[in-house]
Amino acid sequence: GQNIDQPTEMTATEGAIVQINCTYQTSGFNGLFWYQQHAGEAPTFLSYNVLDGLEEKGRFSSFLSRSKGYSYLLLKELQMKDSASYLCAEMDSNYQLIWGAGTKLIIKP
Amino acid sequence: DGGITQSPKYLFRKEGQNVTLSCEQNLNHDAMYWYRQDPGQGLRLIYYSQIVNDFQKGDIAEGYSVSREKKESFPLTVTSAQKNPTAFYLCASSLLVGHNTGELFFGEGSRLTVL
Repeated sequence: GQNIDQPTEMTATEGAIVQINCTYQTSGFNGLFWYQQHAGEAPTFLSYNVLDGLEEKGRFSSFLSRSKGYSYLLLKELQMKDSASYLCAEMDSNYQLIWGAGTKLIIKP
Repeated sequence: DGGITQSPKYLFRKEGQNVTLSCEQNLNHDAMYWYRQDPGQGLRLIYYSQIVNDFQKGDIAEGYSVSREKKESFPLTVTSAQKNPTAFYLCASSLLVGHNTGELFFGEGSRLTVL
C-alpha cells in the first residue's frame, strides 16, 4: 500500500513545542519529506530524511524510523507565523512523491 | 531571481471550455510536475516531465494534457473532459533525483473555478 497518514488538525500554544506524526506503508522507500504550506500558498521545503535518526534545522527537527515506517516533525518555540499546514511526503521506489493530506497546525496566543 | 512562475493565479471557466495554465521556471531544472490539490486530500500528480519533449501521466491524468517543448515551460491544459476541474493547481520543478534529493520547488499555484 501507499497510505500516508498524519493527523488532520492540531492546536498548540505560542512558545510551546509540537510534534506532528506521519506514518507510511510502502515496500519501496527513498526518503521522507516535510513541507510547510500557508493557506492559499505553495508548499515550501522543510526537511528530507533518508536515514534513521533526527535532523535538526533551527527550530524545526525531523525524525525518521524506517523500520517503523514513521516520521515526525518537531517544532520548537512556536510562533504565530508557524500556523500552516504541514505536508508529509514519501518518495517511493519510482522516485515519485506520495503525499499525505496534511496537518493543519493552529497556534494560539 | 530564480524561481517558478504560474499564471494566472485565479481563473474562472465555463463548463465545456478548455483552459491552459502556464508554468515557467528559470532554475535550469530538468523535471517539472503538475499537481492538483483538493481540500482534505494530499497532492495528486497529474503529469510530470523529466526531459524536453517527453512527459508521463501521473495518477489523475484523465481530462488533462501537457506539453514540454522547452526546458523552461510546462503548460497544463484542463480540457472539457475533466469532470471536476475546480481545484488548486500547483506546478513544481526539481533537479533529477540522483543529482540531489529531489526537493520540489513550487509555483504559487493557480486556482481554477468552473462556473
